[in-house]
Amino acid sequence: QQPVQSPQAVILREGEDAVINCSSSKALYSVHWYRQKHGEAPVFLMILLKGGEQKGHDKISASFNEKKQQSSLYLTASQLSYSGTYFCGTIIDSNYQLIWGAGTKLIIKP
Amino acid sequence: ETGVTQTPRHLVMGMTNKKSLKCEQHLGHNAMYWYKQSAKKPLELMFVYSLEERVENNSVPSRFSPECPNSSHLFLHLHTLQPEDSALYLCASSPGRHWVSGELFFGEGSRLTVL
Repeated sequence: QQPVQSPQAVILREGEDAVINCSSSKALYSVHWYRQKHGEAPVFLMILLKGGEQKGHDKISASFNEKKQQSSLYLTASQLSYSGTYFCGTIIDSNYQLIWGAGTKLIIKP
Repeated sequence: ETGVTQTPRHLVMGMTNKKSLKCEQHLGHNAMYWYKQSAKKPLELMFVYSLEERVENNSVPSRFSPECPNSSHLFLHLHTLQPEDSALYLCASSPGRHWVSGELFFGEGSRLTVL
């Protein structure tokens, strides 16, 4: 049931765009995105619900493709502050717990 | 005070020791969680407390013993641990016990090393 994140790691130059994918083998109820910087607490980014709209704030947005059981996180014109490990969590039913992916490490270089 | 505070930040213990991890949340939330985070592995949910009642226990070995004396405090008591228990232990809280509706607020974690 664990969602699969891809890529496992990505290195970008400041200003480049990145896409992180989160795929499930089961139909999803919701997808949750978090970012964790080294030595810090994971921080919530956004939740996408089945049937909901694409979310985003600032230059980070996400989509949820229910047919493909996949969510993608888009980071546009990446900044140094975007560096960290991005985790997706999925819920397959409103009564189920959040199951996490293994994370995608994003390194932004100046 | 930050939202969720964990102490100690680092802990080294032998396999025969007894120690405790503490978590305190200042957000007025009703649910609190313990997670285990190991390198390159997904977050593993250990325990969930909602209004001081344990509502989830994910087949965690009995050498880990949680305690929730009130809705603001959560402890993880540790005894006779194994080296494979070395990890970052994260505490989190949420307004309600339902993951779907809201975000989790995490502490910075307690880094545990078992020798």
